[in-house]
Amino acid sequence: QSVLTQPPSVSAAPGQRVTISCSGNSSNIGNNFVSWYLQLPGTAPKLLIYDNNKRPSGIPDRFSGSKSGTSATLGITGLQTGDEADYYCGSWHSSLRAFVFGPGTKVTVL
Amino acid sequence: QVQLQESGPGLVKPSQTLSLTCTVSGGSISSGGYYWSWIRQPAGKGLEWIGRIYTSGSTNYNPSLKSRVTISVDTSKNQFSLKLSSVTAADTAVYYCARTTIFGVVNDFWGQGTLVTVSS
Repeated sequence: QSVLTQPPSVSAAPGQRVTISCSGNSSNIGNNFVSWYLQLPGTAPKLLIYDNNKRPSGIPDRFSGSKSGTSATLGITGLQTGDEADYYCGSWHSSLRAFVFGPGTKVTVL
Repeated sequence: QVQLQESGPGLVKPSQTLSLTCTVSGGSISSGGYYWSWIRQPAGKGLEWIGRIYTSGSTNYNPSLKSRVTISVDTSKNQFSLKLSSVTAADTAVYYCARTTIFGVVNDFWGQGTLVTVSS
């Protein structure tokens, strides 16, 4: 049972927009930064968003992140077939003194 | 650009100790500013954080694994290592090593992962 909550799956047609929610509490998201990771099938996870809303070099601006209170959201616009993957949120959990990941959300392009 | 590479046995017997090493290239592990982490993923499941170490030797572990985990660092070899004792089939997973920023706690670079199977 993950400390963070994500929807198991989201889907949309090519070119559309999807959002993925990540819900936590004051011990994790509420008082720490959120990062998002993309995992394409059969590959290692890759950093997508850090510090709630920053994109590493090379990540297109179709990907965006936001945080409000104890929840965070990943947005993907202009959905492409290559975006089909699992997406994980993560945050430091202050009271556990541990990093926690969400259970992951599978994005399907219809 | 920093690169990480996991290495170690792909098969471990139940009750034995799983040992993996992560070799860091493209930067010094002791340059400061980063933790060095281990994360695992059972087949078809999500990511599970195992723990992290700073070059000073300071560690943090997942509470659910803490009694069985030891992470150590060898700055002379630019490596850090994972030991997981008393393994069972539930420890079968792909194990990743990663660099983690101190500020923001971001796992910014990952190894490609190595599959460890626990079986007799």
